[in-house]
Amino acid sequence: DTAVSQTPKYLVTQMGNDKSIKCEQNLGHDTMYWYKQDSKKFLKIMFSYNNKELIINETVPNRFSPKSPDKAHLNLHINSLELGDSAVYFCASSQGAGIGEKLFFGSGTQLSVL
Amino acid sequence: GDSVTQMEGPVTLSEEAFLTINCTYTATGYPSLFWYVQYPGEGLQLLLKATKADDKGSNKGFEATYRKETTSFHLEKGSVQVSDSAVYFCALLAGQNFVFGPGTRLSVLP
Repeated sequence: DTAVSQTPKYLVTQMGNDKSIKCEQNLGHDTMYWYKQDSKKFLKIMFSYNNKELIINETVPNRFSPKSPDKAHLNLHINSLELGDSAVYFCASSQGAGIGEKLFFGSGTQLSVL
Repeated sequence: GDSVTQMEGPVTLSEEAFLTINCTYTATGYPSLFWYVQYPGEGLQLLLKATKADDKGSNKGFEATYRKETTSFHLEKGSVQVSDSAVYFCALLAGQNFVFGPGTRLSVLP
């Protein structure tokens, strides 16, 4: 069983479109995250939810909207896609954010905006 | 704010060579420190961690020691293999926020 699964794995779309990426974790974790990894492999936090409540919201365009219907799911919706949104997006989860807590990552969604 | 700095890559080594990837951090308080590894086409996975000063994390022949006095957590391995080729990320956890370094790509040649 995959611990953190995200779909789709690849997403190719035109500028201006709206798309969603889904993420589910079956680890019973309380906290979920979205990270963006650019072409140079730099990893940047976008959002973090704890028990469906937003706790980290970095400087991200408001075209990006996370939605957490329950603590096992954290979806990412992107409106009006732009070329600069092309990247790999990783979902992750952790039990909490205490000392020594570790992240479990999904396998990533490679988004290409044409 | 909290930050992690690691040596620029790429690092290219021959099989069985000694590996060091430097990592230093800036944080208020006492963060937990991690090394994550990303193999091609996959998500990051935890390699090792340390939660307090002088702790040594180790896994799969890799080691790193939490050095509070130098705010460092350098990754070492005595003899690398081709299968170790990947991108390595140093990271810290301070409060509720995980902060990652920029990653160092390692290529090991047979």
